[in-house]
Amino acid sequence: DTAVSQTPKYLVTQMGNDKSIKCEQNLGHDTMYWYKQDSKKFLKIMFSYNNKELIINETVPNRFSPKSPDKAHLNLHINSLELGDSAVYFCASRGQRINQPQHFGDGTRLSIL
Amino acid sequence: KNEVEQSPQNLTAQEGEFITINCSYSVGISALHWLQQHPGGGIVSLFMLSSGKKKHGRLIATINIQEKHSSLHITASHPRDSAVYICAVKTTNKLIFGTGTLLAVQP
Repeated sequence: DTAVSQTPKYLVTQMGNDKSIKCEQNLGHDTMYWYKQDSKKFLKIMFSYNNKELIINETVPNRFSPKSPDKAHLNLHINSLELGDSAVYFCASRGQRINQPQHFGDGTRLSIL
Repeated sequence: KNEVEQSPQNLTAQEGEFITINCSYSVGISALHWLQQHPGGGIVSLFMLSSGKKKHGRLIATINIQEKHSSLHITASHPRDSAVYICAVKTTNKLIFGTGTLLAVQP
């Protein structure tokens, strides 16, 4: 009964490939996020969606394309993977009420060979 | 300079010690989060506060909005508290994260 679930947990692939990471939340939240955590454990927001609409895009390369088929899902597709894309990617969601905490998925560790 | 600074970056303590982790920020915020990340990676929200103080078990979080500073305290620390503790501030529509504090509690 995981609240925010990401798949896969680990992803190892070669440079130049295209890959997707899926995220689903069963909390009924309206807002979902993608974060990137680099090798120094620093977290940074990439995208935010509210009710399937993009509201934040933090100057992420356009090789990264989020897709929200419905408000419970926010998938991340990455084209032409580069070495610098190696990181842990976290999905999170939040309810509508002011100052509700975010709920995080367990992360997807992406390694580019 | 990061908009959210944490100190210390690394902290080693003996079991039972009182621990304080500090967070200072330079932007206007609506709330501040303390998050915990265990080895293996999952992130858990410990507290979200916009004023005053909150307590949950052995954990206490305080915030001083005027001074733009927050502290996370752990009383009677235990090896299972070993983790990375991350401060994050909520601006208009996003979270800005600190660099984290790696805590190791030794038995």
